[in-house]
Amino acid sequence: GAVVSQHPSWVICKSGTSVKIECRSLDFQATTMFWYRQFPKQSLMLMATSNEGSKATYEQGVEKDKFLINHASLTLSTLTVTSAHPEDSSFYICSARDKGSGRRAGANVLTFGAGSRLTVL
Amino acid sequence: DAKTTQPPSMDCAEGRAANLPCNHSTISGNEYVYWYRQIHSQGPQYIIHGLKNNETNEMASLIITEDRKSSTLILPHATLRDTAVYYCIVRVVDATNKLIFGTGTLLAVQP
Repeated sequence: GAVVSQHPSWVICKSGTSVKIECRSLDFQATTMFWYRQFPKQSLMLMATSNEGSKATYEQGVEKDKFLINHASLTLSTLTVTSAHPEDSSFYICSARDKGSGRRAGANVLTFGAGSRLTVL
Repeated sequence: DAKTTQPPSMDCAEGRAANLPCNHSTISGNEYVYWYRQIHSQGPQYIIHGLKNNETNEMASLIITEDRKSSTLILPHATLRDTAVYYCIVRVVDATNKLIFGTGTLLAVQP
């Protein structure tokens, strides 16, 4: 089945530095990928939609200059947290839609990565 | 997308069926019901989806009421590995594809 890989799975950085998280679709092409953020004991919050070859679409309240998204190829999207601060510490999860097969074909079924846990000291 | 309401938590004995309810009274005719689950510290996993007919796959069954205002996800024989937060999401199939997650139900399977 479809697999989405994230790297790194966890990262610790100092305040003020930038951190890049990669999201790859391993066995399918994804023109669109999605980035979510999840704080402890909370639900997933959609941050932005990453579009291959064009600018990302950010959800209301998400700073586009703070969270840089690049979708340079059909299998790779990156999220860069710029000038990270402790309040940016969170679980970041990406997802992508594959065309699927059977009942999944044509449906809004997303495959999610395992997530990347960011801790900013 | 229609709003969904789920109980915050449920318990289930191992080996028994787990029945997770979801209310979506404002669902419209072209909106599907999707279920995902998230095991602790992992990304969400797709379980099943449906429009108006009941559906079954290798993971679960989805029962949708005739008026489509509510649904139930059934895990026929819950195991400890089924302990997770289960999310019921209602939305149309469109070009945006994005999914908005609610608070979900924390299912705790007890030995």
